[in-house]
Amino acid sequence: SAVISQKPSRDICQRGTSLTIQCQVDSQVTMMFWYRQQPGQSLTLIATANQGSEATYESGFVIDKFPISRPNLTFSTLTVSNMSPEDSSIYLCSYLAGETQYFGPGTRLLVL
Amino acid sequence: AQRVTQPEKLLSVFKGAPVELKCNYSYSGSPELFWYVQYSRQRLQLLLRHISRESIKGFTADLNKGETSFHLKKPFAQEEDSAMYYCGVRGSTLGRLYFGRGTQLTVWP
Repeated sequence: SAVISQKPSRDICQRGTSLTIQCQVDSQVTMMFWYRQQPGQSLTLIATANQGSEATYESGFVIDKFPISRPNLTFSTLTVSNMSPEDSSIYLCSYLAGETQYFGPGTRLLVL
Repeated sequence: AQRVTQPEKLLSVFKGAPVELKCNYSYSGSPELFWYVQYSRQRLQLLLRHISRESIKGFTADLNKGETSFHLKKPFAQEEDSAMYYCGVRGSTLGRLYFGRGTQLTVWP
């Protein structure tokens, strides 16, 4: 499987600001995904990041709040915009290879 | 709409006891079912999938289409099984994988 990494690994941000999370895969992958992992709650799919087109968002998530870029087949970014404390969570990047989905180490975000 | 239900948020057993983590799904069509595991300080990883019919680390899971369940079982739990377990369902379109809320398993010595 390809190596998948995320930056930053963690951050503390002030409300109203934005944070961009980077996801890098060391080989080309077609499908990449962004998830949010909140303690005691589901591991929730935010969107599917498509190379060369706009991301496909799940119900409850919108592009203005979570803009996503996918400039090539090895890289994606997720921006958490105009943050509030409710955005405090772990954000996971993922890619699909065959039938298996692989996950990054996550970005732990705390919004004050 | 697809839905995955893991009714137990927390589950504790003693070492050597059997363990069953429940998962029920609601999905139209023929979905693929998975169990993912996250050990402490490690990333989420695949444990097993229904189409493989395999046993991994002593765990098995049988897909029951009549009951729309995919419970994870192990006859003799070990301390190293302590982790967060997520049941996931994926439909045929676009490869999206949806998860339940997870069950935190603790195996006591």
